[in-house]
Amino acid sequence: KQEVTQIPAALSVPEGENLVLNCSFTDSAIYNLQWFRQDPGKGLTSLLLIQSSQREQTSGRLNASLDKSSGRSTLYIAASQPGDSATYLCAVRFTSGTYKYIFGTGTRLKVLA
Amino acid sequence: GAGVSQSPSNKVTEKGKDVELRCDPISGHTALYWYRQSLGQGLEFLIYFQGNSAPDKSGLPSDRFSAERTGGSVSTLTIQRTQQEDSAVYLCASSFSGSRNYEQYFGPGTRLTVT
Repeated sequence: KQEVTQIPAALSVPEGENLVLNCSFTDSAIYNLQWFRQDPGKGLTSLLLIQSSQREQTSGRLNASLDKSSGRSTLYIAASQPGDSATYLCAVRFTSGTYKYIFGTGTRLKVLA
Repeated sequence: GAGVSQSPSNKVTEKGKDVELRCDPISGHTALYWYRQSLGQGLEFLIYFQGNSAPDKSGLPSDRFSAERTGGSVSTLTIQRTQQEDSAVYLCASSFSGSRNYEQYFGPGTRLTVT
């Protein structure tokens, strides 16, 4: 069964810390992986998308890496700010004949001022 | 241009009634997805459209759920004879499949409450 897991479920850090969010998936045959943030009561905002042929993507203070062989992706947030507080979700599209994305249950991040 | 829009933003309905939820994707986006997010749960895939056809509807939970897309644009998700367990936020996303990366852009969602 294709599953996506995110650890930890919740994380609280002081402002300024660098932090890593983890996403693991059960099948290395993926098409791509996308990271999102979701603010309370809102939809999802796309942060980064990594194609299966890529190892990492960067946008501002965010860096996402992909290691297909170990079934893992990490989202690195540098110099965290209170505005980064949100739930972070990863979604994987597997190559096995499906168009759907499977989402992890997210990491709820709180950055303390 | 404008992002993905959904309407209504909130819908309260009585058990047994039918509801229609609407999604307007980003102009030019050929791929459209519906997801459901129940309280405390992750996002659950419902259906995928490529143009007006739905090659993957494997996530629709029962035959009370149906969806259509017309003109390669607007999509409606219909839930017949609503049940309390249908209460959730229904999210729509679109992507441009021509870019081959299928990056998804989400709408704000419709919060459905079945009383």
